[in-house]
Order: sequence, then C-alpha cells, then structure tokens
Amino acid sequence: SQTIHQWPATLVQPVGSPLSLECTVEGTSNPNLYWYRQAAGRGLQLLFYSVGIGQISSEVPQNLSASRPQDRQFILSSKKLLLSDSGFYLCAWSRGEMPTDTQYFGPGTRLTVL
Amino acid sequence: QKEVEQDPGPLSVPEGAIVSLNCTYSNSAFQYFMWYRQYSRKGPELLMYTYSSGNKEDGRFTAQVDKSSKYISLFIRDSQPSDSATYLCAASSGTYKYIFGTGTRLKVLA
Repeated sequence: SQTIHQWPATLVQPVGSPLSLECTVEGTSNPNLYWYRQAAGRGLQLLFYSVGIGQISSEVPQNLSASRPQDRQFILSSKKLLLSDSGFYLCAWSRGEMPTDTQYFGPGTRLTVL
Repeated sequence: QKEVEQDPGPLSVPEGAIVSLNCTYSNSAFQYFMWYRQYSRKGPELLMYTYSSGNKEDGRFTAQVDKSSKYISLFIRDSQPSDSATYLCAASSGTYKYIFGTGTRLKVLA
C-alpha cells in the first residue's frame, strides 16, 4: 500500500527565515505530486505540482519554490518567509496516469511565521 | 463569485440522522468531483470520486452530481459521532488543478 509522509509536523519560524518542508511517498512509482496551502477560512490552494523528476509547475507566484530531486520526494522551500506564509501545508500524490486521478493527502505541516 | 462554494456550517445533527452536504460550482466545464473528510489538524481523507453526472454509492456514503444545476451533494446515512469533521468538495475540468470549497463543518451529536 502507498504511504505519504510529511515533516516536520509543526514549525514556528521568524519572518525572513528560510523554509524547507519535505514530502515523500512510498509504495508507488512515478506519482504526480502536489503542494497545497490551507489557510483559515479558505479552501485548499494549489501551489505547485510535478509530473516527474525536475518538472515543476507553479500555480501561484509568490516567494515559495518547489523541487523534486527524486521520484518520490517533493520539497517546498522559501528563502525568506513572510507573515502571510503561515498556514497548513499539505502534500498530495496521485497516480501518474490521468491529470484528474484522485489525490491522496499527507498529514500536513502547520507553519506559523512570527 | 468563488468557483466552488460550500456553506461553512457548523451543521449539527443527531446520531443516526441522514446528512446532506452540498456544494455549488460556477464553471460548467467541471466534470470530475471529489469529496474529502478532514478531521481537525489532519490531512484530508478521500471519501468519494465521481465523474460527470449521476450517483455513486460507497457504504454509508452517496455522492450525487447534478451538472444541469451545477450542484454536488454528499449524503451520509446512519451518521455517527465519528463522522464529525469538515467535509471538502473539489472539482476539476480535466486538468491537474482541482478547485476546493472551503468546507462544511459537521457535528454529529451522540
């Protein structure tokens, strides 16, 4: 069976500090990978998706970036965090067959920027 | 107007009731729909996936899509206190991008 991991679970960072969130998937190969942000009172916002190693598509221009150094590893980064970056960050995967395949979410990382 | 809208709730029902959760959407190109359940401070859990119009049933859950009205529903039969969570709907026109509603908070009272 497939498993998706995210870490850390919780993070408190000062404004202007860097960020690195990691997501890994087990039990599947060539998955599509996604990063979402969920802010209070708002729906899940797609930030990035990747259909393969080194292939990243950005949905929302901002001070975040994503990388996929390995098939089942997806990293979300920032060089300098803003207060508005606070939120619940969710990684998801889907089978790489159809764009609309069901997406399965990880446990999430709660980020607070102070 | 948001592309996918949900009543935020909370919706409170007694244990054993039939629950109806609803979403409306504005983009007539949406054809793929998903329902998720999200417990507090957890990642969303996939409940149902439907394509185009019609009904789909899985255990106590039934998903219904009415494309003519741009309306999707999730019914939960014999609701349990463990069903208390936030329910998210999502829609896609056929791309990688699903548009999510903000969620409806459900409370099932024992």
